[in-house]
Amino acid sequence: AQTVTQSQPEMSVQEAETVTLSCTYDTSESDYYLFWYKQPPSRQMILVIRQEAYKQQNATENRFSVNFQKAAKSFSLKISDSQLGDAAMYFCAYRGTFSGGYQKVTFGTGTKLQVIP
Amino acid sequence: KAGVTQTPRYLIKTRGQQVTLSCSPISGHRSVSWYQQTPGQGLQFLFEYFSETQRNKGNFPGRFSGRQFSNSRSEMNVSTLELGDSALYLCASSPYEGNTEAFFGQGTRLTVV
Repeated sequence: AQTVTQSQPEMSVQEAETVTLSCTYDTSESDYYLFWYKQPPSRQMILVIRQEAYKQQNATENRFSVNFQKAAKSFSLKISDSQLGDAAMYFCAYRGTFSGGYQKVTFGTGTKLQVIP
Repeated sequence: KAGVTQTPRYLIKTRGQQVTLSCSPISGHRSVSWYQQTPGQGLQFLFEYFSETQRNKGNFPGRFSGRQFSNSRSEMNVSTLELGDSALYLCASSPYEGNTEAFFGQGTRLTVV
């Protein structure tokens, strides 16, 4: 079974600074998707960024970027120029594929990010 | 375009009762998935539906069931509620199968007493 590990239960960052959230996963598959989701206090999950395993180029969305190391099975999220609105729980997630379909999504335990003004 | 709508937002039920939660996906989305979120177990996948067919199912007992209608709206049902079923239930929709670009609703907070 696939597992997703987020080893940092909580992190803090000063406003305007950069922070990196860690995620590792375990899989024997070669084709899969990785995601970072943000869950603010409002509880609504928001997709931050998505990475397809067959793409070597790291995904980027504005101030959010990932460092995808397929061999190391590592998928970290970097938030640049942190803003107060970035404060939330961040979940790393994995979804494998197989011929003809997709496997269920597996989430990590989350990292609570605090942004200090 | 309206987002994913989950109803009701809050629900209190008694142990042994059953409950039905509803999810209306974004217009045009055909894939709906459900998740349970608890402080102890975190986020766990329940089901995924695409075009009225269940595509994936998580490791939950048979008391948890779901379905999707022809208009893509989905319901999940939990029978014989247990205290441990208290959780935030999240629904997500995607325009296509695979939910690789999922949009979530605000969830239904179920409390079992």
